[in-house]
Amino acid sequence: ELKVEQNPLFLSMQEGKNYTIYCNYSTTSDRLYWYRQDPGKSLESLFVLLSNGAVKQEGRLMASLDTKARLSTLHITAAVHDLSATYFCVNQFYFGTGTSLTVIP
Amino acid sequence: GAGVSQSPSNKVTEKGKDVELRCDPISGHTALYWYRQRLGQGLEFLIYFQGNSAPDKSGLPSDRFSAERTGESVSTLTIQRTQQEDSAVYLCASSPLGLETASTDTQYFGPGTRLTVL
Repeated sequence: ELKVEQNPLFLSMQEGKNYTIYCNYSTTSDRLYWYRQDPGKSLESLFVLLSNGAVKQEGRLMASLDTKARLSTLHITAAVHDLSATYFCVNQFYFGTGTSLTVIP
Repeated sequence: GAGVSQSPSNKVTEKGKDVELRCDPISGHTALYWYRQRLGQGLEFLIYFQGNSAPDKSGLPSDRFSAERTGESVSTLTIQRTQQEDSAVYLCASSPLGLETASTDTQYFGPGTRLTVL
């Protein structure tokens, strides 16, 4: 049983477009984290979401949390090439499979 | 300030040998985590230390894997009788507070140790 499910696994999008990455979790903890990993590098924390309805925004990325649905989303607005990376959602210490994002000029 | 450091950065070993991986967490961080990341995959939780509490070993894949932590400082992950499927990047992370607290417990990751078992 997967504790954290993330989709899509792969995402190729053009610059300037919007898209949403989804993360469902099944543990009893409602703390949800988003991390970014660049190829060959370690992980960098993006967002920490602690309560129902929490919304955090940083630049072109916005993360939200719905604890009733056990769902978090990472929304990308007007994508740029620098956002190309793998994004992981994390619940407790369970990681999603990651979404490999490629932004095409 | 200094981040999480891990050593060695790369380790190549022969099947059947034992290896020891080291993690130096950020000073003052009470929680420490070990993960494994196989090529092209996500992170697999291995073990979690929080202060002086008994570690959560629920993620260790077999009894060949063990980890220790001295107080709130250095941790070592030991893999005995290595197998080829143990090849992966082993990542260590630390956080100021543990999972049991209500405050944020963002994990700060080290650069990882790339283990290759021939």
